Amino acid sequence: GIQVEQSPPDLILQEGANSTLRCNFSDSVNNLQWFHQNPWGQLINLFYIPSGTKQNGRLSATTVATERYSLLYISSSQTTDSGVYFCAQSNYGGSQGNLIFGKGTKLSVKP
Amino acid sequence: GAVVSQHPSRVICKSGTSVKIECRSLDFQATTMFWYRQFPKQSLMLMATSNEGSKATYEQGVEKDKFLINHASLTLSTLTVTSAHPEDSSFYICSAPQGSLNTGELFFGEGSRLTVL
Repeated sequence: GIQVEQSPPDLILQEGANSTLRCNFSDSVNNLQWFHQNPWGQLINLFYIPSGTKQNGRLSATTVATERYSLLYISSSQTTDSGVYFCAQSNYGGSQGNLIFGKGTKLSVKP
Repeated sequence: GAVVSQHPSRVICKSGTSVKIECRSLDFQATTMFWYRQFPKQSLMLMATSNEGSKATYEQGVEKDKFLINHASLTLSTLTVTSAHPEDSSFYICSAPQGSLNTGELFFGEGSRLTVL
């Protein structure tokens, strides 16, 4: 089945620094999403990005489907960016539509 | 974006009792919803796919008689943990696709933290 690998597993930044999180996936992509899980556990949708590049404020993401990876960029990081970032890809063996999650990158932004 | 709501957000129960968790799509209809489970410091694992008007499909290793799923309407799916035991303590999260099941973006509920004493 599909495998989603994220790196790095842990990342510590000083406030104001930039970072790049990577997601490698093993199968062709129909749906790829990035999430931020806040301290209360809720998954916040960051990007729906099966291909191309999108930007939303200080965050941007790029998916290169032909090379099976996606990148999440965080610029000018803030302490509120701390949390776990998940990449997830759809599992298609028909029309299932559910997402397979990577293990996440735990980001800690220090003041 | 679309809104998916879960209730309750936290529940504590005694071993042997049953707990029901509701998942609602608030501003769109969802013929399919997904239930995930997350143990502490781990990723989300798909438990089952809830299908409106038909039986749920369960992932390998998930006991269908223990985790009862009912998808009675286009906006509501329920997960009932029957005869709960401490090892069932976990964070349960539901999700629903907005738009096409094949290409639609998935939105997640707030999650329900179950603690079984």
